[in-house]
Amino acid sequence: GAGVSQSPSNKVTEKGKDVELRCDPISGHTALYWYRQRLGQGLEFLIYFQGNSAPDKSGLPSDRFSAERTGESVSTLTIQRTQQEDSAVYLCASSPPGTSNTEAFFGQGTRLTVV
Amino acid sequence: AQSVTQPDIHITVSEGASLELRCNYSYGATPYLFWYVQSPGQGLQLLLKYFSGDTLVQGIKGFEAEFKRSQSSFNLRKPSVHWSDAAEYFCAVKPNSGYALNFGKGTSLLVTP
Repeated sequence: GAGVSQSPSNKVTEKGKDVELRCDPISGHTALYWYRQRLGQGLEFLIYFQGNSAPDKSGLPSDRFSAERTGESVSTLTIQRTQQEDSAVYLCASSPPGTSNTEAFFGQGTRLTVV
Repeated sequence: AQSVTQPDIHITVSEGASLELRCNYSYGATPYLFWYVQSPGQGLQLLLKYFSGDTLVQGIKGFEAEFKRSQSSFNLRKPSVHWSDAAEYFCAVKPNSGYALNFGKGTSLLVTP
């Protein structure tokens, strides 16, 4: 596609429910990132995928958070038993292979509200 | 510890005035450096980046940034601000031995008439 696509754009869920957020990276991009942005805050790194390598999960805040990616395609971020503090915008980004690998292209984000 | 600091949370400038947004980093070796802009309701857009070479880099929308190794800084500048520049600006750093882009907390720019 033309850019990184995230769905849904908005999600309201009840506390304790599970949610699944989806990211479609730019075609051909081998790297994929998930970030969380709380209101008025910077971007908090969550997880990084690079091709078929083991993902860097060092930013996941708890075991309620998990993410998957099959090859170089779609990624899903799952939050189990959501809490109010999970309310944030979840941003996905992808990067092309090669020396320009470090430049990330961002999607519009999914705004998650836990009530 | 590795960190990215944007000392100014909010900045207000008059339209037509010059702008400088500060960014400092703390890393063992010179990392890759970026500035992103986030307009209301929009995703993040890359303004410019520094990997190596000329320490003054030009970006889109008339922005430039200067890498100063001695000060561990990568400040963003624009000679004349337009009302459409009002947005949130994020400095980001990627260590050259790591993966993740690490972001500062952002600087919110308000442009007054």
